[in-house]
Amino acid sequence: GAGVSQSPSNKVTEKGKDVELRCDPISGHTALYWYRQRLGQGLEFLIYFQGNSAPDKSGLPSDRFSAERTGESVSTLTIQRTQQEDSAVYLCASSLAGSSEGLGYTFGSGTRLTVV
Amino acid sequence: AQSVTQLDSHVSVSEGTPVLLRCNYSSSYSPSLFWYVQHPNKGLQLLLKYTSAATLVKGINGFEAEFKKSETSFHLTKPSAHMSDAAEYFCVVRPFSGGYNKLIFGAGTRLAVHP
Repeated sequence: GAGVSQSPSNKVTEKGKDVELRCDPISGHTALYWYRQRLGQGLEFLIYFQGNSAPDKSGLPSDRFSAERTGESVSTLTIQRTQQEDSAVYLCASSLAGSSEGLGYTFGSGTRLTVV
Repeated sequence: AQSVTQLDSHVSVSEGTPVLLRCNYSSSYSPSLFWYVQHPNKGLQLLLKYTSAATLVKGINGFEAEFKKSETSFHLTKPSAHMSDAAEYFCVVRPFSGGYNKLIFGAGTRLAVHP
């Protein structure tokens, strides 16, 4: 596609429920990143996928968070047993290669998650 | 440890006056530095980047930033603000070593432009 697509754009869920967020990267982009942006704060790195390499999960805040990516296509971020502190905008980005120059990053518009 | 600090959470200027958004970084090695802009309900957009070439970097929409190693700063400037510049701006560092695949974001500066 022309850009990085994320769905849903907004999600309200009850505390304790599981949620799944989806990211469609730009076709041909081998690298995919998930970030979290809490209100009034900068972006926090969550996880990075590069081709068939093992993902870098070092930013995931707890074992309630997990992410998958099939090949070089869609990625899903799953949050189990959501807590109010999980409320944030979850941003996905993709780039042509593993280089983190930043120039090649394209961000999606994000999923705004609200846990009530 | 690498980090980035944006010194102002909010900046307000009048249209046509200069813009200065301040950023200081901490990095053990020579980092790559970036400024991103986020307009309401839109994705993040790269404004400019520094990667150890010229210390004065020119970006889109008339913005520029100067890398000052002695001051560990990478402030963003624009000579004359436009109403369309109102947005959230993020200073970002990519560490030279370790965490190649991570960009470290500042907390952001919200720029308001008044007529």
